[in-house]
Amino acid sequence: AQSVSQHNHHVILSEAASLELGCNYSYGGTVNLFWYVQYPGQHLQLLLKYFSGDPLVKGIKGFEAEFIKSKFSFNLRKPSVQWSDTAEYFCAVFEGNNRLAFGKGNQVVVIP
Amino acid sequence: DGGITQSPKYLFRKEGQNVTLSCEQNLNHDAMYWYRQDPGQGLRLIYYSQIVNDFQKGDIAEGYSVSREKKESFPLTVTSAQKNPTAFYLCASSTGGQGGTEAFFGQGTRLTVV
Repeated sequence: AQSVSQHNHHVILSEAASLELGCNYSYGGTVNLFWYVQYPGQHLQLLLKYFSGDPLVKGIKGFEAEFIKSKFSFNLRKPSVQWSDTAEYFCAVFEGNNRLAFGKGNQVVVIP
Repeated sequence: DGGITQSPKYLFRKEGQNVTLSCEQNLNHDAMYWYRQDPGQGLRLIYYSQIVNDFQKGDIAEGYSVSREKKESFPLTVTSAQKNPTAFYLCASSTGGQGGTEAFFGQGTRLTVV
């Protein structure tokens, strides 16, 4: 079974629309959580991360994510997307023993 | 510049041949990783290493082998036993540990087996 789940693999929305991408994980121990972005033709970049403390994490380019421990979730949000947010987004979970697992990704297309 | 270097960027091999992909990092990171990226599959973990001379299988280790003789190097061999080797391969590293950094990625190697 996949240890990191991302739903709605393809997301198409218009500029200024709000974006929310779901991420659920199954590992029951202490986790570090990440969202990475891959713009077309580019390598993976870190958007934001959660290690501890405030469960609402703010990242680059107006993105934020909320860690809800009881739901094993780390959903990514952006209130108003731009065409330049067209990319693939990956949720990742740092499990025990340094194992870093990724979800299948969300392909997001923003229409101008 | 500090970072992760994967070479080559593109690699072509004939079916039945083993091929080794290089990954070098100068970030002094303990942990290193190999992933395979296929469309719609995300990043699937092949092998990872927490420290020199140690490595663990990931989710899709069959047909692959690795070594970690030096801290900065984590080469991946794609053997002839791998049924579908054509893919984009990504190497990553991190400081490791529960309070460690996020993973940093190389530019990837696109392997095509013909």
